[in-house]
Amino acid sequence: EPEVTQTPSHQVTQMGQEVILRCVPISNHLYFYWYRQILGQKVEFLVSFYNNEISEKSEIFDDQFSVERPDGSNFTLKIRSTKLEDSAMYFCAGQQVVNEQYFGPGTRLTVT
Amino acid sequence: GDSVTQMEGPVTLSEEAFLTINCTYTATGYPSLFWYVQYPGEGLQLLLKATKADDKGSNKGFEATYRKETTSFHLEKGSVQVSDSAVYFCALSGSGGSYIPTFGRGTSLIVHP
Repeated sequence: EPEVTQTPSHQVTQMGQEVILRCVPISNHLYFYWYRQILGQKVEFLVSFYNNEISEKSEIFDDQFSVERPDGSNFTLKIRSTKLEDSAMYFCAGQQVVNEQYFGPGTRLTVT
Repeated sequence: GDSVTQMEGPVTLSEEAFLTINCTYTATGYPSLFWYVQYPGEGLQLLLKATKADDKGSNKGFEATYRKETTSFHLEKGSVQVSDSAVYFCALSGSGGSYIPTFGRGTSLIVHP
């Protein structure tokens, strides 16, 4: 069964550094998402992406964040200058049918 | 705005016990309701869903009924197994025209042999 993959599984970075989190969605999915989950808290929506552009974004997704799907397979989340409070699990998800999302295993980002 | 409230965890049960994890929601319109499960070290997986009032979603022995009158979507299983140990998230989407899910905080379930 096809699945969503994410790399790396764990990323440690210093405050102020740029990080890129990568996702490979299921090939026939059309809508893509990033979420984050701070330890012990709820899963929070960051951004949705369709037809090569952002369709919705939350207040969390400020100018420090960007997404792109450069080659039709990888879907990336970039954080330009990480802050301590960016430490979280980041989940990618894809969707073909409305309302049914398929999540990747997540990348744990630790900012020191 | 929309919100989902789940019971606090962890819920600790012995194998073969009956499980209920409560979930209530606040939303405009008529959202779809979901339960996702997150096993250790993995991402969220859709467990079951219901798209309209009185619908019952079911999968792997788990069930949940969309109760509009009580704005609830409680998750139940008649006999849990150790392998059911995971974090369970209640979610809604489709409220107010947006399909972005709103998640609850998650409830950790620990099942002992």
